[in-house]
Amino acid sequence: GDSVTQMEGPVTLSEEAFLTINCTYTATGYPSLFWYVQYPGEGLQLLLKATKADDKGSNKGFEATYRKETTSFHLEKGSVQVSDSAVYFCALSDLSGGSNYKLTFGKGTLLTVNP
Amino acid sequence: DSGVTQTPKHLITATGQRVTLRCSPRSGDLSVYWYQQSLDQGLQFLIHYYNGEERAKGNILERFSAQQFPDLHSELNLSSLELGDSALYFCASSPVDKETQYFGPGTRLLVL
Repeated sequence: GDSVTQMEGPVTLSEEAFLTINCTYTATGYPSLFWYVQYPGEGLQLLLKATKADDKGSNKGFEATYRKETTSFHLEKGSVQVSDSAVYFCALSDLSGGSNYKLTFGKGTLLTVNP
Repeated sequence: DSGVTQTPKHLITATGQRVTLRCSPRSGDLSVYWYQQSLDQGLQFLIHYYNGEERAKGNILERFSAQQFPDLHSELNLSSLELGDSALYFCASSPVDKETQYFGPGTRLLVL
């Protein structure tokens, strides 16, 4: 079945540091890939997505590139801020099973950014 | 604000009891997904409804059931509750034939 593996952290960085959170996936079909972010006490928010190989998703300074050859979708940001402190989830959606776009999530990575 | 609402926000109940969680999708979204977030299992897909019909089931226990009503809101019913059912339950909605899902704030269930 489908699966997502991401570095679990926690990750602690200083403000303005470079961020990378690794994510790799296994899927039977040709999935779309997502990063969601969960701020304390809130629901999940879509951060960015990519639907085909070599696509780059970007939002709020975050980027991730869909790498089919390495089955990866690593999240990066050049300069993190304290407000980026949250849990980040990598996820995939694989339509090969029909019309169900269910998301398969990684376990999440807690990011803490210190001033 | 995603436009997806969930009630109640918090729920505390006892083992053996039954509860109902409610989800209202974004205006116009026909699909509703339910997910469970727990410390040991992470985020897991439970069930998917589209325009009132069940589309797919994931790791949903037989003690759990769901439905989607004509006004498109959905309810997740959890019965014979056990301590291990304590978790955060999210619903998400998506537009017709679109992959992007918009999540509600969740219902935190505590079974004592």
